[in-house]
Amino acid sequence: EVQLLESGGGLVQPGGSLRLSCAASGFTFNSHAMTWVRQGPGKGLEWVSSINLVGGATYYADSVQGRFIISRDNSKNTLYLQMNSLRADDTAVYYCAKGAGNEAFDIWGQGTMITVSS
Amino acid sequence: EIVLTQSPATLSLSPGERATLSCRASQSVGTSLAWYQQKPGQAPRLLIYDASNRATGIPARFSGSGSGTDFTLTISGLEPEDFALYYCQQRTNWPLTFGGGTKVEIK
Repeated sequence: EVQLLESGGGLVQPGGSLRLSCAASGFTFNSHAMTWVRQGPGKGLEWVSSINLVGGATYYADSVQGRFIISRDNSKNTLYLQMNSLRADDTAVYYCAKGAGNEAFDIWGQGTMITVSS
Repeated sequence: EIVLTQSPATLSLSPGERATLSCRASQSVGTSLAWYQQKPGQAPRLLIYDASNRATGIPARFSGSGSGTDFTLTISGLEPEDFALYYCQQRTNWPLTFGGGTKVEIK
């Protein structure tokens, strides 16, 4: 079964850090770019970051540039998002998705909730 | 940044009716546009990619059309499970962007 499973969400204080993971299965992970998308409470979808097949090219939304780092470990079929200097407006459900600039997001994880609050 | 404007924000229709959703881009995206469906508490699901291609397992009542800056998602004969939020998304330029969404609700 093709699947993406996120983990690592939770409650964090403003200024804190958190690392999300997304475990992929059922497809050739190292053949696809990957992406993080988030959705704030009651809001629409917001692209956060993407990474190419081998991690040599990364892309970020202006809202997270310099604070978040996307990476991948193809030996573990896992995508990561290191989130630093977290702010209240980073509060959202974070989804990982298969695809990026070269293909639509055809597979999505179930999402993991990040709450930034003191 | 390419801005995607979806209209209407809300579409109130009855089961069996035809739904027509619009997505307009601030500059040409060619045919690199996708449509997603999202239900409450669920992850988005890909419906249409490259403007007019149905994703795997998507019923034939869903169709997409358009190119350049104007795109349409049509649902020909709404089923009860089709009442949901719909988003368009472009992958032509970074940053990748989504439209604000159209809610299809039961009239």
